[in-house]
Amino acid sequence: GENVEQHPSTLSVQEGDSAVIKCTYSDSASNYFPWYKQELGKRPQLIIDIRSNVGEKKDQRIAVTLNKTAKHFSLHITETQPEDSAVYFCAAPNGKAAGNKLTFGGGTRVLVKP
Amino acid sequence: DSGVTQTPKHLITATGQRVTLRCSPRSGDLSVYWYQQSLDQGLQFLIQYYNGEERAKGNILERFSAQQFPDLHSELNLSSLELGDSALYFCASSVGVAGGLDNEQFFGPGTRLTVL
Repeated sequence: GENVEQHPSTLSVQEGDSAVIKCTYSDSASNYFPWYKQELGKRPQLIIDIRSNVGEKKDQRIAVTLNKTAKHFSLHITETQPEDSAVYFCAAPNGKAAGNKLTFGGGTRVLVKP
Repeated sequence: DSGVTQTPKHLITATGQRVTLRCSPRSGDLSVYWYQQSLDQGLQFLIQYYNGEERAKGNILERFSAQQFPDLHSELNLSSLELGDSALYFCASSVGVAGGLDNEQFFGPGTRLTVL
């Protein structure tokens, strides 16, 4: 099955700086890589995802990059703001068939200091 | 609002008891997933149902069981509860069919279970 490793487990940045979270996966057939943001006591919310046919995707201050050869993908948050403080999870599916379950990384707790 | 609903929001019970958590997926979604999240922990996958059938199983205890009904809502049954079962239980849903929107999962608000 899929194995997803996520680093770092905690990340503290100054407001306005960038934050980068990295994940590696094991199943080379995986073709979809979402990122979720979870605020304290709330549901995980999908913030961005990338499919294996592209290397980078941006949405305002967040971007995700994918290196299929190395089997890793990263989340980049630029110009961080206090409301970016949350736990972020990466995930990858077991293989490429639709409807496969996601395996989540262990999460990164991001703290943006004003 | 993701379109996934879960009831109840909070549940407080005693050790040894049995509870049922309920989840209604987004309209059109056929797959339902259950996750357990203990304090400051990650998302532990429990089980997945697709159109009424069990599709994948994670680290789900034998004391736990689930099912998906013909109207596609799902229930997670937790029995012989222990203190360590206290957690947030999330349900998620996805389209889950070939040709659908890949594996995008949308989470419900969760049920916070406290076992005393």
